[in-house]
Amino acid sequence: EVQLVESGGGLVQPGGSLRLSCAASGFTFSDHYMDWVRQAPGKGLEWVGRTRNKANSYTTEYAASVKGRFTISRDDSKNSLYLQMNSLKTEDTAVYYCAREGGDFWENWFDPWGQGTLVTVSS
Amino acid sequence: SSELTQDPAVSVALGQTVRITCQGDSLRSYYASWYQQKPGQAPVLVIYGKNNRPSGIPDRFSGSSSGNTASLTITGAQAEDEADYYCNSRDSSGNHHVVFGGGTKLTVL
Repeated sequence: EVQLVESGGGLVQPGGSLRLSCAASGFTFSDHYMDWVRQAPGKGLEWVGRTRNKANSYTTEYAASVKGRFTISRDDSKNSLYLQMNSLKTEDTAVYYCAREGGDFWENWFDPWGQGTLVTVSS
Repeated sequence: SSELTQDPAVSVALGQTVRITCQGDSLRSYYASWYQQKPGQAPVLVIYGKNNRPSGIPDRFSGSSSGNTASLTITGAQAEDEADYYCNSRDSSGNHHVVFGGGTKLTVL
């Protein structure tokens, strides 16, 4: 069974840091691009960023809202994806999902998604 | 960056057909994908590419596109289809980013 399981969420003060993890199983993790998507309480989905696979030099991209503060990394030997979040703001409060990215030049999709982990930024 | 616009809420009578739309400039170049999200659960991919359904998704779900508008059609809506639906596509700004629509709350009456 293809599965993604996030961990590491919690309560953090504004300006603080947190590291999320996503454990993958049931597929060849190293072959795939992996992404983080977040959802603020009662709001819609927002793409956070991606890491490409080894064949594409593990390059990363980020949404403007998190660029310079968040860092996505991966460890293919552990089938794991990470999101290092620094300089957190109250507006970063959300459920954070990891997701496997698929598609080609013309299309892009996410399947499967993890169950999500809640990050609350509050004093 | 690009934007995708969805109607906030749509309703359909049980067993009837409903179309949920997604509009945006990026859809002139890229296909939309669609996700179903029920309360307290993670999104689930229901349509991707031109009109493809992942394994396990009922064939009452279908997708189409014309110009700057992509549509998700549910033919014979069931009570279990009541959920939030989101579209996404690549950003057409050339930055390889991803954009999501604001979501549509589907109510099955």
